[in-house]
Amino acid sequence: EDQVTQSPEALRLQEGESSSLNCSYTVSGLRGLFWYRQDPGKGPEFLFTLYSAGEEKEKERLKATLTKKESFLHITAPKPEDSATYLCAVQRKRETSGSRLTFGEGTQLTVNP
Amino acid sequence: NAGVTQTPKFRVLKTGQSMTLLCAQDMNHEYMYWYRQDPGMGLRLIHYSVGEGTTAKGEVPDGYNVSRLKKQNFLLGLESAAPSQTSVYFCASSYSGTSEAFFGQGTRLTVV
Repeated sequence: EDQVTQSPEALRLQEGESSSLNCSYTVSGLRGLFWYRQDPGKGPEFLFTLYSAGEEKEKERLKATLTKKESFLHITAPKPEDSATYLCAVQRKRETSGSRLTFGEGTQLTVNP
Repeated sequence: NAGVTQTPKFRVLKTGQSMTLLCAQDMNHEYMYWYRQDPGMGLRLIHYSVGEGTTAKGEVPDGYNVSRLKKQNFLLGLESAAPSQTSVYFCASSYSGTSEAFFGQGTRLTVV
């Protein structure tokens, strides 16, 4: 059974204070690892997909990295508008078609001005 | 370009009542999904569809039915609502089975 564990559950930062969110996963054959951002009352918004260990992707103040067991979402010099819940999800390689994602519970990030 | 649109946004049902949640996407995506999101549980897949006229069970399908009669629409039905189905429901779509999913804004359902 695929498992995704995110830590910490909640993180409070001051504006400009860099940090990292962790996503540990167990999956039988990883096809891809996805990061989403979710604002209160909204649906998840896609950020990144990582496919293989060593891969990195960046978008503004966010950088996602991937190893064989975990992924990190690094936030550099965050701003209050980065406050959101960040979700990690894995997709397993399957014989049949169908994009089935297994999500973690998310990290709720608050950035104070 | 609206993306993924869910109807309704909020609903309160009495136990035993039935209802249908509608999801519409205008991106010509083949794949569509229904998830539920509960505190402490994360997002869990209910049912999904890999194309018009097809449906398949996800992780938590019991108590729900779905239909994909048109490519752009994916309906989620509750035949006899139970309090355990109180949740936020999200519809999503993707171009292929490996591409990122785009989510709707969610439907908050309360069953009393």
